[in-house]
Amino acid sequence: QKEVEQDPGPLSVPEGAIVSLNCTYSNSAFQYFMWYRQYSRKGPELLMYTYSSGNKEDGRFTAQVDKSSKYISLFIRDSQPSDSATYLCAMTGPGTYKYIFGTGTRLKVLA
Amino acid sequence: GAVVSQHPSWVICKSGTSVKIECRSLDFQATTMFWYRQFPKQSLMLMATSNEGSKATYEQGVEKDKFLINHASLTLSTLTVTSAHPEDSSFYICSARDGRPRGADEQYFGPGTRLTVT
Repeated sequence: QKEVEQDPGPLSVPEGAIVSLNCTYSNSAFQYFMWYRQYSRKGPELLMYTYSSGNKEDGRFTAQVDKSSKYISLFIRDSQPSDSATYLCAMTGPGTYKYIFGTGTRLKVLA
Repeated sequence: GAVVSQHPSWVICKSGTSVKIECRSLDFQATTMFWYRQFPKQSLMLMATSNEGSKATYEQGVEKDKFLINHASLTLSTLTVTSAHPEDSSFYICSARDGRPRGADEQYFGPGTRLTVT
């Protein structure tokens, strides 16, 4: 079993839809949870960073962490074609700087 | 802030030659830098962790003699792929950790270097 599981997609949605992206994990020691966006042939760009459980909102993006279920989500409201990219979840625990990445979900927002 | 650059952005080299890739943190000091490789439509695979002034720590299965890492300063780390072969063709991405003490330890990624070995 992988430490972090993420549906690779692809996920196609119409413009304006609410997008839900998810990751599950097995290591209960993880405390820091990140979402990155990666456009084709580019490096990942940090979107959201959350610590422990709870919600965090930034513009059209909301990150949720449910540590009891070992489940994290990223919601994108009013999705735009420019949101089309691969979204990677990453997480890490105390005492280490190593990130464990999910495989990434490819999202396509259709105009 | 928190900009990481990589050079070159792409490189084509012949089999058997060596290639050096630079990773720089432009507006912060990076006590730790990471090197990843990414195959098409796959996630990032950590190759090694590089701390300024000390030897890099390689992940299991990564040949340290083939992928030489030097972290000579707080703003520069280099990855040298020695005696490159076609199977080394990949997208190499570095990230840098801002060493300032605060609650978060985000890694900031460079734009990546596409290596093609012919």
